Amino acid sequence: QQQVKQSPQSLIVQKGGISIINCAYENTAFDYFPWYQQFPGKGPALLIAIRPDVSEKKEGRFTISFNKSAKQFSLHIMDSQPGDSATYFCAASRGFSGAGSYQLTFGKGTKLSVIP
Amino acid sequence: DAMVIQNPRYQVTQFGKPVTLSCSQTLNHNVMYWYQQKSSQAPKLLFHYYDKDFNNEADTPDNFQSRRPNTSFCFLDIRSPGLGDAAMYLCATRTDNNQPQHFGDGTRLSIL
Repeated sequence: QQQVKQSPQSLIVQKGGISIINCAYENTAFDYFPWYQQFPGKGPALLIAIRPDVSEKKEGRFTISFNKSAKQFSLHIMDSQPGDSATYFCAASRGFSGAGSYQLTFGKGTKLSVIP
Repeated sequence: DAMVIQNPRYQVTQFGKPVTLSCSQTLNHNVMYWYQQKSSQAPKLLFHYYDKDFNNEADTPDNFQSRRPNTSFCFLDIRSPGLGDAAMYLCATRTDNNQPQHFGDGTRLSIL
């Protein structure tokens, strides 16, 4: 019930295209859904995150779509650029709003390659 | 400027020789995490500190231990590294309430 399933494992998109990565979860107690971007040799960096009380969040070229009833969320990268080539991890956690620590459950990652 | 700093960036040790990885933070965050990330895999949580309270994941091997002498520093000790412990080790921090985790750039550990 703690799993977050991410697909696809790898994705090749042409420059200017739309990259879409999907995640699904089981635990309805999750209350925070971040996406992390990781370049080779670097730590994951928070890209964008959403709470379950909204269905969409947009920051620049990056949009999270969230479907609470289906327990799914996705990352859309508009006008994909070669510099977006990285590994993307979706994650989920519960207890984000409370005091104390919270733990992230990560998806397995998607390696995105944007070709010129 | 880096806010979660991990040293060294690359560490090579011999099979069975104890090794210590360090993490420091300038954010004054009260929660610090250690993750292990193997090639092409997601980060796996080893343990975390909430202030001085240590929380170990159930499947973290006894070979892995941690120390947090103060708010700014946290150490990962691997007592007898095996070949399977070769990985990237990531430190992350967080403060309370509605704040995300911030990751360092990791230490790449190789075992000879």
